[in-house]
Amino acid sequence: AQSVTQPDIHITVSEGASLELRCNYSYGATPYLFWYVQSPGQGLQLLLKYFSGDTLVQGIKGFEAEFKRSQSSFNLRKPSVHWSDAAEYFCAVGNNNAGNMLTFGGGTRLMVKP
Amino acid sequence: SQTIHQWPATLVQPVGSPLSLECTVEGTSNPNLYWYRQAAGRGLQLLFYSVGIGQISSEVPQNLSASRPQDRQFILSSKKLLLSDSGFYLCAWGQGRLNYGYTFGSGTRLTVV
Repeated sequence: AQSVTQPDIHITVSEGASLELRCNYSYGATPYLFWYVQSPGQGLQLLLKYFSGDTLVQGIKGFEAEFKRSQSSFNLRKPSVHWSDAAEYFCAVGNNNAGNMLTFGGGTRLMVKP
Repeated sequence: SQTIHQWPATLVQPVGSPLSLECTVEGTSNPNLYWYRQAAGRGLQLLFYSVGIGQISSEVPQNLSASRPQDRQFILSSKKLLLSDSGFYLCAWGQGRLNYGYTFGSGTRLTVV
């Protein structure tokens, strides 16, 4: 069965600092990997995805993520955080052989200090 | 383009009252549909999913039920709400393959009092 772990429940960074949110997955083959962002009281918005090709993927809002098969990781990064990036971030893993189901991590809440 | 609508945005219901949350998708056909719940400070819990009209799979036994009366309509219901049903309910749709992930609605905040 596939699973996702986001080890950091809360992260606080200063505005302008770099950011890395960790995501580790468990799945035998190459999975479909996603990062979503959720602002308070809102639905989830897709930031970026990976399922093949270049292992460094670019997303919206200046985010990027790198797929590392050897580490079973798909960490989200941003070089300079803006106050508007404060939100909850969810990593998800899926595969087309499991009913097209996505499994979500528990989420990481990002707070940005001025 | 495809859009997903979810309503109402907020709902306050007394314990023991019925519930009906509706989700509709536009601009696509035969979507996979999903209901998730977020309790306060918690992650996403998959409640139900559907791959076609009348086809509902339940992930968690509870006093909620789901129905799909039309291709692009997904309804979450309860006959009698419990306090523990409070939370943020999200509807999502996906295509037959995962290339595009899921698209989520804007959610319904349900408070059972």
